[in-house]
Amino acid sequence: GENVEQHPSTLSVQEGDSAVIKCTYSDSASNYFPWYKQELGKRPQLIIDIRSNVGEKKDQRIAVTLNKTAKHFSLHITETQPEDSAVYFCAASKDNQGGKLIFGQGTELSVKP
Amino acid sequence: GAVVSQHPSWVICKSGTSVKIECRSLDFQATTMFWYRQFPKQSLMLMATSNEGSKATYEQGVEKDKFLINHASLTLSTLTVTSAHPEDSSFYICSARADRASFFGQGTRLTVV
Repeated sequence: GENVEQHPSTLSVQEGDSAVIKCTYSDSASNYFPWYKQELGKRPQLIIDIRSNVGEKKDQRIAVTLNKTAKHFSLHITETQPEDSAVYFCAASKDNQGGKLIFGQGTELSVKP
Repeated sequence: GAVVSQHPSWVICKSGTSVKIECRSLDFQATTMFWYRQFPKQSLMLMATSNEGSKATYEQGVEKDKFLINHASLTLSTLTVTSAHPEDSSFYICSARADRASFFGQGTRLTVV
């Protein structure tokens, strides 16, 4: 089945710097790749997603890139702020309607003021 | 985004008893819902896919007789943890698909004592 690897497991940056989190997936049939932000004890919140027919997507300070050939995708956060501190999860799915998700291990991002 | 409500938010039960968790889609109909389990500082692991009007589909290694899933209407799926034991203590989260993405309930913290 699908396997998603996420790196790094922890990431600490200074406020204003950029943060990059990378994921690789194993199943070439996967075609939907969302990113979720989860604060302690809370539900995961969808922050951005990308489908396999697109190589890059941007929403304000957040961008995601997808390399289907290499089977990896990355989350880029620019101008980080302390409120960006949370655990970020990537996921992959063969359901491009956004259903069944296989998650990466998570990255704990800490943005220091 | 779409709103998914989960109840209860937390529950403490005695070993050997059963606990029911509800997941509702509040402003849309969901023919399919998903149940995940998350241990502390770990990722979300898909347990099963809940299908309205038919049997749930369980992931490998998940005991279907222990984790009973019922999806009797287009807005409600329930997960019953039967004969709970301390090792079942975890954060259980449901999700539903809407607008080509998955939206999560707030999760249920289950503690079995």
